[in-house]
Amino acid sequence: AQRVTQPEKLLSVFKGAPVELKCNYSYSGSPELFWYVQYSRQRLQLLLRHISRESIKGFTADLNKGETSFHLKKPFAQEEDSAMYYCALSFNSGGGADGLTFGKGTHLIIQP
Amino acid sequence: DAMVIQNPRYQVTQFGKPVTLSCSQTLNHNVMYWYQQKSSQAPKLLFHYYDKDFNNEADTPDNFQSRRPNTSFCFLDIRSPGLGDAAMYLCATSRGGGYEQYFGPGTRLTVT
Repeated sequence: AQRVTQPEKLLSVFKGAPVELKCNYSYSGSPELFWYVQYSRQRLQLLLRHISRESIKGFTADLNKGETSFHLKKPFAQEEDSAMYYCALSFNSGGGADGLTFGKGTHLIIQP
Repeated sequence: DAMVIQNPRYQVTQFGKPVTLSCSQTLNHNVMYWYQQKSSQAPKLLFHYYDKDFNNEADTPDNFQSRRPNTSFCFLDIRSPGLGDAAMYLCATSRGGGYEQYFGPGTRLTVT
């Protein structure tokens, strides 16, 4: 079965410092990885996905199949980045749809 | 705005008393998902509908059922809630496999 691991429950960094949120996965098939973000009092929303290879809000993530990792990075943290971040792996849940297996999430706090 | 709506946002039920959670969408998406998220845990897929086709995850308890009377609405029924079913229940929609999932705000279920 697939698994997503986010080793840090809480990560606190100062504004302007680099941020790296770690994510490791295990999956027998070809992985499709996502980062979802949940700001305070808001719903879970997609931040980025590995196949798009784009930068959103200054965040990037590279899929490393050798290390089975998909770490989220930002060179200079901003206070508005404070949120809960979930790494997720897409899997075929049958019937033409893909379910998501989530990690437990990392609470990112940006200190002023 | 097109969106995913969940009602109620908070639901309290008694041990063993059937409860129904509601999800509606204005996105006209083919797929509707239900996830369960217990405290400090990752969201876990329970089941999904692709149009009228129901797909149950193998480890979803029989106590959990779902109905989708039309494209816009999907319901989660818990036949006999136990204390261990207290959780946040998230509804999500997507166009299908490979597409982004859009999440509702969730319903927090308390079992007394």
